[in-house]
Amino acid sequence: SYELTQPPSVSVSPGQTARITCSGDALPKKYAYWYQQKSGQAPVLVIYEDSKRPSGIPERFSGSSSGTMATLTISGAQVEDEADYYCYSTDSSGGVFGGGTKLTVL
Amino acid sequence: EVQLVQSGAEVKKPGESLKISCKGSGYSFTSYWIGWVRQMPGKGLEWMGIIYPGDSDTRYSPSFQGQVTISADKSISTAYLQWSSLKASDTAMYYCARPYGPTFHDAFDIWGQGTMVTVSS
Repeated sequence: SYELTQPPSVSVSPGQTARITCSGDALPKKYAYWYQQKSGQAPVLVIYEDSKRPSGIPERFSGSSSGTMATLTISGAQVEDEADYYCYSTDSSGGVFGGGTKLTVL
Repeated sequence: EVQLVQSGAEVKKPGESLKISCKGSGYSFTSYWIGWVRQMPGKGLEWMGIIYPGDSDTRYSPSFQGQVTISADKSISTAYLQWSSLKASDTAMYYCARPYGPTFHDAFDIWGQGTMVTVSS
């Protein structure tokens, strides 16, 4: 099982663009997914298959992937976007989560 | 509505056994994998393993192989996570989750509410 590496924290002011990165050697061949987890709640899938947005997820959330790095972008971050964000991918034997990034919006 | 409902919080002593459950409803239980994810207090998400209830095909993360047992009873649409001898380090929130597609390579989009397991003497 391989590793996915994220920065521990990212901080932005409301209305700014937040970018959270995820690096992994297998990402050129495997999809990246992104989860949002607010305190005391189960994770919510916000991006799947690198760049697709599930229904109900605001348009300000977008994803991209290039080479060994995937990026979650929150354009015009809002206070309610403050949460932990995890990237996720799979290999032949199963799934792996990144270590998580705490997004602070203040 | 597709949902996963997990069993309630548990408080156990080291060395005790435990089996927690995850009941699926609103979809064909035998057609989707169900996985388990650990979250230790204040820490990140860890993929533990996954089972296909249709034929009980099970995969484990190397970190959890031999430490837990994942099973399912398709007759009652329920998956299980089991320990034979708990340790204090098993204290965590455990989530069951279902992928959005038919393979275990698809990410989880349906999550249970979580089961908090506390192991303390």
